[in-house]
Amino acid sequence: EPEVTQTPSHQVTQMGQEVILRCVPISNHLYFYWYRQILGQKVEFLVSFYNNEISEKSEIFDDQFSVERPDGSNFTLKIRSTKLEDSAMYFCASTRAGGELFFGEGSRLTVL
Amino acid sequence: AQSVTQPDIHITVSEGASLELRCNYSYGATPYLFWYVQSPGQGLQLLLKYFSGDTLVQGIKGFEAEFKRSQSSFNLRKPSVHWSDAAEYFCAVGSWLTNAGKSTFGDGTTLTVKP
Repeated sequence: EPEVTQTPSHQVTQMGQEVILRCVPISNHLYFYWYRQILGQKVEFLVSFYNNEISEKSEIFDDQFSVERPDGSNFTLKIRSTKLEDSAMYFCASTRAGGELFFGEGSRLTVL
Repeated sequence: AQSVTQPDIHITVSEGASLELRCNYSYGATPYLFWYVQSPGQGLQLLLKYFSGDTLVQGIKGFEAEFKRSQSSFNLRKPSVHWSDAAEYFCAVGSWLTNAGKSTFGDGTTLTVKP
């Protein structure tokens, strides 16, 4: 069964460092998303991406964040200069035509 | 704006007992509704979804949920809970009108199962 894959599963970084989280969505999906879950809290929408551009972003998704689909398969989330409060689980998701999201297992980011 | 309320932060039930987790949503039109389960340190697994049609939907692991438009609710039920059901449960609402994959999640309900 096709699935969304994310790497790395866990990354530890120093405050101020750049981080790139990678995702491979399901191959025939057209819409891509990043969500974030701070430990013990709910899942929050960060950004959606369609037709090679951001379609919507939340207020969390400030200038420190960017997304890219550099080739036909990968979808990346970059945090330019990490802060302590960026520590969270980051989930990538995709869908073909809207509606049901298929989530990856998540990438846990720890900022020290 | 869409929103989801899960009134119960934590629920404890005995193994074999029935379960109902509450979810209320706010959305101006017909929503997409989802229930996800998350075990500690794990990703989100979709239990079931409602898009349209029959308001009682069946999901995996013996779960079901009923969409009640008049009450803006989408409660999750299971007739007999197993110890392996202990986890965090999230209700989510999505829009079919705009950006249908953007879902708003509730705060979650932690389920503890007593032997």
